[in-house]
Amino acid sequence: SYVLTQPPSVSVAPGKTARITCGGNNIESKNVHWYQQKPGQAPVLVVYDDRDRPSGIPERFSGSNSGNTATLTISRVEAGDEADYYCQVWDSGSDHPWVFGGGTKLTVL
Amino acid sequence: EVQLVESGGGLVKPGGSLRLSCAVSGFTFSDYCMNWVRQAPGKGLEWVSSISYRSGSFTYYAASVKGRFTISRDNAKNAVVLQMKSLRVEDTAVYYCARGAGSYYRGDSWGQGALVTVSS
Repeated sequence: SYVLTQPPSVSVAPGKTARITCGGNNIESKNVHWYQQKPGQAPVLVVYDDRDRPSGIPERFSGSNSGNTATLTISRVEAGDEADYYCQVWDSGSDHPWVFGGGTKLTVL
Repeated sequence: EVQLVESGGGLVKPGGSLRLSCAVSGFTFSDYCMNWVRQAPGKGLEWVSSISYRSGSFTYYAASVKGRFTISRDNAKNAVVLQMKSLRVEDTAVYYCARGAGSYYRGDSWGQGALVTVSS
């Protein structure tokens, strides 16, 4: 089945830009979704279909997808952005349709 | 308002069975595929199972649960069920139900989760 690879951790100072990557074979051919999960809470969709934002998600969250890497970019990082972030794709035609990356812990210094 | 509420979690011995239910409201349930995702303590998200929209003719399972878990939906009751049998210690996790939306089935709404603990 399809595999997504994320770095375990990313650290960033407040006000700076955080970039969280998600690697997969020819991932640009897939639509990537990103979730934010804070401790003790359910995941929340922050970016879908590579670069679209659900209503209520700040414009500071953006996404891109090219080649073998998709990226979630968080601009002007705030303390409240500290969380685990997961990428996910729909692997159509597979018997394992929902695929998650291993998750990245974002630490705000 | 879209709501998903899981129920049925609890403590069960290895080899036992448990039935999780996810009651939904605020949207036309039959129009969406539904999914179960679990998270073991301190671990990442793991997809467990999916069921197609409308009649739920198509079901999918992670290799780790295939043959032991069964997903089903009741459109009249607006609920999706995960029947779990032959439970193992490694099935211990918080189980979330999630709605799959759009052409690429993003998980746009999630329940609060139900804790399943498998222990002797």
